[in-house]
Amino acid sequence: EPEVTQTPSHQVTQMGQEVILRCVPISNHLYFYWYRQILGQKVEFLVSFYNNEISEKSEIFDDQFSVERPDGSNFTLKIRSTKLEDSAMYFCASRRQGSEETQYFGPGTRLLVL
Amino acid sequence: SQQGEEDPQALSIQEGENATMNCSYKTSINNLQWYRQNSGRGLVHLILIRSNEREKHSGRLRVTLDTSKKSSSLLITASRAADTASYFCATDPNYGQNFVFGPGTRLSVLP
Repeated sequence: EPEVTQTPSHQVTQMGQEVILRCVPISNHLYFYWYRQILGQKVEFLVSFYNNEISEKSEIFDDQFSVERPDGSNFTLKIRSTKLEDSAMYFCASRRQGSEETQYFGPGTRLLVL
Repeated sequence: SQQGEEDPQALSIQEGENATMNCSYKTSINNLQWYRQNSGRGLVHLILIRSNEREKHSGRLRVTLDTSKKSSSLLITASRAADTASYFCATDPNYGQNFVFGPGTRLSVLP
């Protein structure tokens, strides 16, 4: 069964460094999402992406964050200058076009900022 | 309360018993979905119920939706130790643009 994949599974970085989290959505899906979950807290929406542009973003998704679909398969989340509070699990999700509303989530990348 | 609030926050039951988790939300929705998350892992989609549906079944799962009360419940029947996980409801107010998750119910099924 097709699934969303994410790399790396874990990443440790120093505060102020740039990180790029990678996702490969399900191949026939057209809508892409990033969420984050700080340890012990709820899953929070960051951004949605469709047709090569951001369709919606939350307050969390500030200028330090950017997303890109550099080729036909990858979907990336970049954090330009990481802060301690960026430590969280980051989930990518994708959805098919049309009336299919279920979002399918990847296994997540656990980011630790030191 | 916030959009997508689950209760109880934690639930501990014996294997074979039924587990019921509730979710309340504040705004109008197009659908409501339940997800499961094993500790430190990703979110697994369980079931979607649309705003015009009142009840839905999938295997041992039964979901109800009461739009007048803005609430949903997830029932897991004949629970197993493998059902131990956190369960989240996610509301979809904007046709799949973004989900609003509740804080989850942590279910422990004891053998």
